[in-house]
Amino acid sequence: SQTIHQWPATLVQPVGSPLSLECTVEGTSNPNLYWYRQAAGRGLQLLFYSVGIGQISSEVPQNLSASRPQDRQFILSSKKLLLSDSGFYLCAFSQGALDEQYFGPGTRLTVT
Amino acid sequence: QKEVEQNSGPLSVPEGAIASLNCTYSDRGSQSFFWYRQYSGKSPELIMSIYSNGDKEDGRFTAQLNKASQYVSLLIRDSQPSDSATYLCAVNRGGGSNYKLTFGKGTLLTVNP
Repeated sequence: SQTIHQWPATLVQPVGSPLSLECTVEGTSNPNLYWYRQAAGRGLQLLFYSVGIGQISSEVPQNLSASRPQDRQFILSSKKLLLSDSGFYLCAFSQGALDEQYFGPGTRLTVT
Repeated sequence: QKEVEQNSGPLSVPEGAIASLNCTYSDRGSQSFFWYRQYSGKSPELIMSIYSNGDKEDGRFTAQLNKASQYVSLLIRDSQPSDSATYLCAVNRGGGSNYKLTFGKGTLLTVNP
């Protein structure tokens, strides 16, 4: 069966510090991978998606970046966090472009 | 006009009743439609997907799609207190946005024992 992992589960970071969130998928090959952010009182916002190793599409210009160093690994990074980066970060995967997306457990980030 | 619109609720129903959740979308070319359930503090969980007009049933859940009216709904029969959650409607617009799901802000459902 397919499973998706994210870590850490929670993170408290000061403004200006770097960020690295990791997501891995098991039980499937060549998945499409996604990073979403859910801010308090707001809907889910797609940040990045990837259809293959090294292929990253950005949906929202901001101080975040994403990388896909391996087929089933997706990393979200920032060099300097802003207060506005606080939120619930969710990784998801799908098999096809129009197929269902399945979410990982999420990382709750608080920037102080 | 918002791309995917849902009533924020809260929608309150008694245990055993039918809960009806509604969603409208703006892009007539949208191709796939999903309902997710999100418990407080947890990640969204896919409960239904629907791709063509009509009804799709899975246990106590029925998704209904009407592309002409740009409307998708979710019915929950025999509602249980464990169904209390926020329900998110998501739409894949297809075309050049094949990979992108656009989410509504969700409807909070409360099932009262």
